[in-house]
Parts: sequence; structure tokens; C-alpha cells
Amino acid sequence: DIQMTQSPSTLSASVGDRVTITCRASQSISIWLAWYQQKPGKAPKFLIYKASSLESGVPSRFSGSGSGTEFTLTISSLQPDDFATYYCQQYNSYPWTFGQGTEVEI
Amino acid sequence: QIQLVQSGAEVREPGASVKVSCQASGYTYTSYAIHWVRQAPGQRLEWMGWIHAGSGDTKYLQKFQGRVTFTRDTSASTAYMELSSLKFEDTAVYFCARDRGSGRPLDVWGKGTTVTVSS
Repeated sequence: DIQMTQSPSTLSASVGDRVTITCRASQSISIWLAWYQQKPGKAPKFLIYKASSLESGVPSRFSGSGSGTEFTLTISSLQPDDFATYYCQQYNSYPWTFGQGTEVEI
Repeated sequence: QIQLVQSGAEVREPGASVKVSCQASGYTYTSYAIHWVRQAPGQRLEWMGWIHAGSGDTKYLQKFQGRVTFTRDTSASTAYMELSSLKFEDTAVYFCARDRGSGRPLDVWGKGTTVTVSS
């Protein structure tokens, strides 16, 4: 199975900050990586697919990059609604696997 | 709008079974697969497998093989996840999610169903 590791596990930031989260795969997954946002007690929300493609309706302050084994999610200017936990997920091969999550806190 | 509506919370004793439903609306149900993902308290998301709503083809995470069954009712646009021989560690929120395909994985999610295994 492909292991997904995110860093950091927790990130403290302020409104307006530029925030970057890293996701590493244990083997190459090409560009088959997605990012999700999850708030407490809620379902994940789909943000980015194919490593860098923004899902329709997702604010442009979110962006993704990377390929192979290293990927990043960047929020260019953190907004109050962005405080949440973010997960990466590989869908290069089964079983699909998720990172452990990065909590973005105030 | 496109949505997945899941059944309500369940409590079961160890060794019992549970069946969770996921009703789709707002899109052509039989054109996509439905995946099941669970999240134990304080843990990461865990992919369990999928069922194609049209063909009925399934794929399961090996750790659940023999204990989980995905089915669907095309007339009701509903997918089901049944987990048997429940253990305490199966306590989790179970989500269904649509696989849109074309490189877009889980784009629409149900709100989740809490399954508690308790004696």
C-alpha cells in the first residue's frame, strides 16, 4: 500500500497568512493526488484533483502543486472559513489512501 | 442539486451486523461509482472500497474482505454498505462519496453515518 505522510500535523496561523501544507507519498503517484478540507463533525469537501486542478467553486486562494512523491497545498491568504483539517489522498492505485491530516488552527 | 443522503446513526453489539444506506439525487445515478470511507474517532480517513452503481461491480479493501458487502438498488438510486461481525474498533463515521471519474475522485460526499459498537 502507498503511505501518505503530511507535514506539519498542526499549523498555527493568522487571517491573511500564506499557508503551505506538504504531502509525501511512499512511492510515485504521478499527479493522482487530491486534497480535501474537513471541519469538525462534517464530511470532507473536495478541493483539488490531479495535484493542481481546482474543483469548480473552490476559491482561487487555494492551489496545489507537485508530482511524483512530493506535493503541496497552498492557501495564499488565509480566511476565517479556512480553519479546518486538510487531507491529501492518492488515487494512483488501490487501495486509495489518505494522509493523517493537517489541522490549521488560529 | 447533487447530493447523497445517508441513513441515521446506529448502535450495535459486537458480533452484530449493520447496513448503511446512501441515496443519490441530482445526477444520473448509474453512471458513477460510489465509494465508502470511514473515520474512527480522531483518526484519518480510511477508504473501504467502491461499487459501480450501474454495473454493480465492486472492489473492497483487503482488510474488510469477507466482512463487508456493497450493494445497490438502481430503482431507488441507493447504495448500501453492510458490515458484519462488528468489533469495537469498527466504531466510526461511515461516509459514502461519488467518484466522478475523469481524474476527479470523491467530489460529492454524504454527511456520514455514525456506527457505534458497544456492549
